[in-house]
Amino acid sequence: QKEVEQDPGPLSVPEGAIVSLNCTYSNSAFQYFMWYRQYSRKGPELLMYTYSSGNKEDGRFTAQVDKSSKYISLFIRDSQPSDSATYLCAMSATGGTSYGKLTFGQGTILTVHP
Amino acid sequence: DADVTQTPRNRITKTGKRIMLECSQTKGHDRMYWYRQDPGLGLRLIYYSFDVKDINKGEISDGYSVSRQAQAKFSLSLESAIPNQTALYFCATSDKGVSNQPQHFGDGTRLSIL
Repeated sequence: QKEVEQDPGPLSVPEGAIVSLNCTYSNSAFQYFMWYRQYSRKGPELLMYTYSSGNKEDGRFTAQVDKSSKYISLFIRDSQPSDSATYLCAMSATGGTSYGKLTFGQGTILTVHP
Repeated sequence: DADVTQTPRNRITKTGKRIMLECSQTKGHDRMYWYRQDPGLGLRLIYYSFDVKDINKGEISDGYSVSRQAQAKFSLSLESAIPNQTALYFCATSDKGVSNQPQHFGDGTRLSIL
């Protein structure tokens, strides 16, 4: 079993829809949670960065972390064609040999059509 | 100019050849990482370096070696390339700190081994 599971999709939605992207994980030591967006032929770029449980909002993007369920989500409101990309969740533990190392989900391919 | 620069951007080579992928950064970060990305597998860590004198194996280091020539430069070598090393390769950097810092990625090298 992989430490981080992410539905690869692909996910196709109409412009203006609310998009929900999700990851589950098995390592209870994970404390830091990130979402990256990757456009075709580009490297992943950091979208959201959260520590421990709770919600974080940045414009049209909201990240949620539920450590009790080992489940994280990224919501995109009023989705735009420019949001079409691969979204990767990533997480890391603190301390010991895990310090500073990220474990990634497989990535979800999202297409927002006009 | 990009903060994390990878060269070459594309490379096609033959089985058994030695290949070096280079990464340089202008972010002033101490930590550097090499990942490979394969469809359906997400990003997997090959090697990482927390400073010039520190090199550590990641999840999939077999068949690879690295050199940290300076704070800003981190190169990845395939001593004798094989076809299953065909993948997208990414370099990333992060700052040091008391908490896990997010990683910043270059735009990748697309490597094909025939």
